[in-house]
Amino acid sequence: EPEVTQTPSHQVTQMGQEVILRCVPISNHLYFYWYRQILGQKVEFLVSFYNNEISEKSEIFDDQFSVERPDGSNFTLKIRSTKLEDSAMYFCASSGRVIDNEQFFGPGTRLTVL
Amino acid sequence: GQQVMQIPQYQHVQEGEDFTTYCNSSTTLSNIQWYKQRPGGHPVFLIQLVKSGEVKKQKRLTFQFGEAKKNSSLHITATQTTDVGTYFCAGPGTGTYKYIFGTGTRLKVLA
Repeated sequence: EPEVTQTPSHQVTQMGQEVILRCVPISNHLYFYWYRQILGQKVEFLVSFYNNEISEKSEIFDDQFSVERPDGSNFTLKIRSTKLEDSAMYFCASSGRVIDNEQFFGPGTRLTVL
Repeated sequence: GQQVMQIPQYQHVQEGEDFTTYCNSSTTLSNIQWYKQRPGGHPVFLIQLVKSGEVKKQKRLTFQFGEAKKNSSLHITATQTTDVGTYFCAGPGTGTYKYIFGTGTRLKVLA
C-alpha cells in the first residue's frame, strides 16, 4: 500500500540554525500539507501546497518557513532560523483531491531545538 | 478564528465499556473527518461525513454529523485495548485548502 515517507525521523538542531524536513508524498497525489504537533497537543495546520505553489498558510507559517517541491517527488519544509518553540513533531500529508478526501500522513519528523 | 473543540479531553474506560467523543465547530462545516492517532504514531484517517444528519458505522464505531453541520460525534461500542489512542475530528478551514483539527480526545482502555 502506498505511503507517505518522511526524513529524518528525528532532527536535533541548535537555536538559530536552518533545518530542512523532507517528505515524499504518495506518487499520484496532488495536494500536500505540513502540520505540526507539539507534544501532547493538537495537530496544527501549517501550509498546503498545490500546483507548485502555496494554497493556504496559517498564522504560524511566517517568513521563517518555506516549502518547496524541488523535483516532482520530494516536498520540503525549511525553517530558516529555528527557535526553541519550533520543537515539535512535523507531519507531512498528501491527498488525491481537496476537501472531500482523506489525508495520508507520514510518520513525522521530531524536531528538537536546543 | 475558526475553532474546533472536542470533549472530553481524556477518557479512561474499562475494556468492554462504551466511549463517546464530541466535536464542536465554531462555524458550519462542509464536511468533517475523523482521525485516530495511536501513542507515538501519526494521524490515520477513519472516515468523512458530508451530509447533514449523516450517520456512518464501521464495525464498533459509529460516526454522526449534526443537523446544523457544526458538530459531530464518534461512539465506540464495547471498547477494546486496540482502541487506545487520541481521536481527532477535523473540518475544512475558511479557505479551501486547509483542515482545522479538533483538540482531540485521548482514550485509555483498562484491561
